[in-house]
Amino acid sequence: DAGITQSPRHKVTETGTPVTLRCHQTENHRYMYWYRQDPGHGLRLIHYSYGVKDTDKGEVSDGYSVSRSKTEDFLLTLESATSSQTSVYFCAISEITGTGAGEQYFGPGTRLTVT
Amino acid sequence: AQSVTQPDIHITVSEGASLELRCNYSYGATPYLFWYVQSPGQGLQLLLKYFSGDTLVQGIKGFEAEFKRSQSSFNLRKPSVHWSDAAEYFCAVGAGGTGTASKLTFGTGTRLQVTL
Repeated sequence: DAGITQSPRHKVTETGTPVTLRCHQTENHRYMYWYRQDPGHGLRLIHYSYGVKDTDKGEVSDGYSVSRSKTEDFLLTLESATSSQTSVYFCAISEITGTGAGEQYFGPGTRLTVT
Repeated sequence: AQSVTQPDIHITVSEGASLELRCNYSYGATPYLFWYVQSPGQGLQLLLKYFSGDTLVQGIKGFEAEFKRSQSSFNLRKPSVHWSDAAEYFCAVGAGGTGTASKLTFGTGTRLQVTL
């Protein structure tokens, strides 16, 4: 199994508070991703990183920011949590091969509830 | 933009029966295709992938998938299902490219129930 951990694994927070989720990898992979999973939507990409300090938006980035100061850590911040951000959040990592393709490996997820 | 359709939200099969989960994709170039499995409360595990070459790919746990360009499909199959295969299955399509992240677009998933 790929060495990916997420913390915390479960969190309950109140509307309007900031929340930071952490993803840590031990694989030294260049690319890291944050997804959210909601019933009926599959997984949707929030933000991704293609190197230290290099990040870009995914399809559902509003209300989220990310930072990557080290290869191994990718942080997702909910600037002011809302009930619509109640979800399960997954981190993933990948490395691109010479073909330009690369499969992603997923962490165990963080279940976030915003009350 | 790339997209994935998994037309079956829920499928029930008997243990020992064969299984086929459908996946149709939309992508302008040669796609990179993946199947992932998710057990309850767990992360996603890669079952198999197609990048190029042989259109029939073998994966873990006895699964296989066939890439059919003419039908824009990448269906997952297993000849004999085990009770432990009960899970949710996700098809995904990737846009590759050196120097860029291999972003994936996921289908909405198919939940497999196995009856004994």
